[in-house]
Amino acid sequence: LAKTTQPISMDSYEGQEVNITCSHNNIATNDYITWYQQFPSQGPRFIIQGYKTKVTNEVASLFIPADRKSSTLSLPRVSLSDTAVYYCLVGSLAAAGNKLTFGGGTRVLVKP
Amino acid sequence: DAMVIQNPRYQVTQFGKPVTLSCSQTLNHNVMYWYQQKSSQAPKLLFHYYDKDFNNEADTPDNFQSRRPNTSFCFLDIRSPGLGDAAMYLCATSRDSVLTGETQYFGPGTRLLVL
Repeated sequence: LAKTTQPISMDSYEGQEVNITCSHNNIATNDYITWYQQFPSQGPRFIIQGYKTKVTNEVASLFIPADRKSSTLSLPRVSLSDTAVYYCLVGSLAAAGNKLTFGGGTRVLVKP
Repeated sequence: DAMVIQNPRYQVTQFGKPVTLSCSQTLNHNVMYWYQQKSSQAPKLLFHYYDKDFNNEADTPDNFQSRRPNTSFCFLDIRSPGLGDAAMYLCATSRDSVLTGETQYFGPGTRLLVL
């Protein structure tokens, strides 16, 4: 079971780049890495997903080194509305049992 | 254009009184999940349905049950809620198994209060 570890919190300022690293030392061969954003009293919202190397979409980039034991979510030029909790999710569901594990979440505070 | 709908958004029940939370989806996804999220904690998977196949997590208490009568609806039944069951309950769906890298779509959650 891939245990995921993230920093508890992170402060930033508007316009800066925010990088959040998630450690998942026991990641399995078939496991994907997914990041979610969650605002208070809302369900998590998908940000980005990757398997290896680098993935970029309109809101974020995801960097995954060759050993896949960690991943870094990069949020370019954050705004106040990016203040939220960000979760790293590693795993896959298999008939043999759950391998779906959220990290503890990183609370990002964007200051003016 | 809501895709995963949870009702009610807030539910108050009494200690020991059975309660049912509902989830519906307009995505026609095969997989539906139920998570429990306590304050300042990450979501914790309780169980999921792959089509009609029910998959319980090993550490999900027997007090929690689920039903999926059709593709669109899934219910979470808490048979005898305790004070420790007060939490946000999140429903999610995915087109196919996360095993193949499918994305989960979450509903807004139902916040359960146990008095």
